[in-house]
Amino acid sequence: EVQLVESGGGLVKPGGSLRLSCAASGFTFSSYSMNWVRQAPGKGLEWVSFIDNTGYSIHYADSVRGRFTISRHNTKNLLYLQMNSLRVEDTAVYYCARALDSYWGQGTLVTVSS
Amino acid sequence: DIQMTQSPSSLSASVGDRVTITCQASQDIRDYLNWYQHKPGKAPKLLIYDASNLETGVPSRFSGSGSGTDFTFTISSLQPEDIATYYCLQYANYPYTFGQGTKLEIK
Repeated sequence: EVQLVESGGGLVKPGGSLRLSCAASGFTFSSYSMNWVRQAPGKGLEWVSFIDNTGYSIHYADSVRGRFTISRHNTKNLLYLQMNSLRVEDTAVYYCARALDSYWGQGTLVTVSS
Repeated sequence: DIQMTQSPSSLSASVGDRVTITCQASQDIRDYLNWYQHKPGKAPKLLIYDASNLETGVPSRFSGSGSGTDFTFTISSLQPEDIATYYCLQYANYPYTFGQGTKLEIK
């Protein structure tokens, strides 16, 4: 069974950092691209970042480029999102998604507040 | 960046009604468009991929059509369990972009 489980969310002050993880199981992680998608309270879905299966092709939304870094560890079946210089507007539930297909995690909440 | 204009933003319909949602892309995205269903507290669910292909296990009352810049998502006969917010997503170019969402309610 394919499973994606996010962790690492929490409360952080503006300007702070947080690293999200997504543990993958039930499929060959190294064969799939991965994405992070977020939903701010009361708002719609926003695509955040993409990484291909090798880790060499990476893309970001304009809103996070230069502050967030996506990475992966294929032997550990882990996807990461390092979030620096966090802003209040980064408050959201963050989902990891396999290739934007049918498999998404349940999300982890990041709250940026003083 | 490609802008996705989704309409309507909300929709109220009766059980059994035919429901249609549209997405318009600001430039040609060929058929690189997915439709998702999102219920509160749950992960988004892929319903349609590549504009018109029904994801495995998704009921046949859901369908998608279109290519280029204009796309349509249809529920042929609305069921109570279809209450959710629906989103289109273009993946033709980075950054990927979602439509603003359509909140579907039962009358």
